[in-house]
Amino acid sequence: GENVEQHPSTLSVQEGDSAVIKCTYSDSASNYFPWYKQELGKRPQLIIDIRSNVGEKKDQRIAVTLNKTAKHFSLHITETQPEDSAVYFCAAVNSNSGYALNFGKGTSLLVTP
Amino acid sequence: DAGVTQSPTHLIKTRGQQVTLRCSPKSGHDTVSWYQQALGQGPQFIFQYYEEEERQRGNFPDRFSGHQFPNYSSELNVNALLLGDSALYLCASSLGDRVEGAFFGQGTRLTVV
Repeated sequence: GENVEQHPSTLSVQEGDSAVIKCTYSDSASNYFPWYKQELGKRPQLIIDIRSNVGEKKDQRIAVTLNKTAKHFSLHITETQPEDSAVYFCAAVNSNSGYALNFGKGTSLLVTP
Repeated sequence: DAGVTQSPTHLIKTRGQQVTLRCSPKSGHDTVSWYQQALGQGPQFIFQYYEEEERQRGNFPDRFSGHQFPNYSSELNVNALLLGDSALYLCASSLGDRVEGAFFGQGTRLTVV
């Protein structure tokens, strides 16, 4: 089955700096890659996703890049703010044959003022 | 627009007991997936229900079972509880045969003592 690895496990940045979280996946047939943000005690919230026919997608301060050849994808957050502090999870799935999101172990991001 | 509603929010059970968790999907969604999230880990897929049938199952024992009702709501049942079943149980809803855009509830925190 699909195996998703996520790095780093913790990340601390100063407000205004950029943050980058990286994930690798094992199944070359995976074609959908969402990122979820989970604040303490709250539900995982979809913040951005990308499909395998796209190399990059941006939404304001958030961007995701995908390298299908290397089987890795990354989340980029620019101009970080304290409210960006949360745990971020990447996931991968072959949406043509499966319905299970395969999650990484998460990255705890702390943005200090 | 109501999101995914899960009940109860917290509960404590004794080892060996049985538990039922409930989920109402986001308005307009007809598919429900269940995930188990252990402390400090990413969510792990348990199973997905669509048209009242289990469509895919993750690597969980038969002690974990579920049901989907005609109104698309769902239940997760766990029999013979083990201490290791202590986790946050998340319900996610989506539309049709698509995993894209899965919308998560806040979860049920189960503690087995």
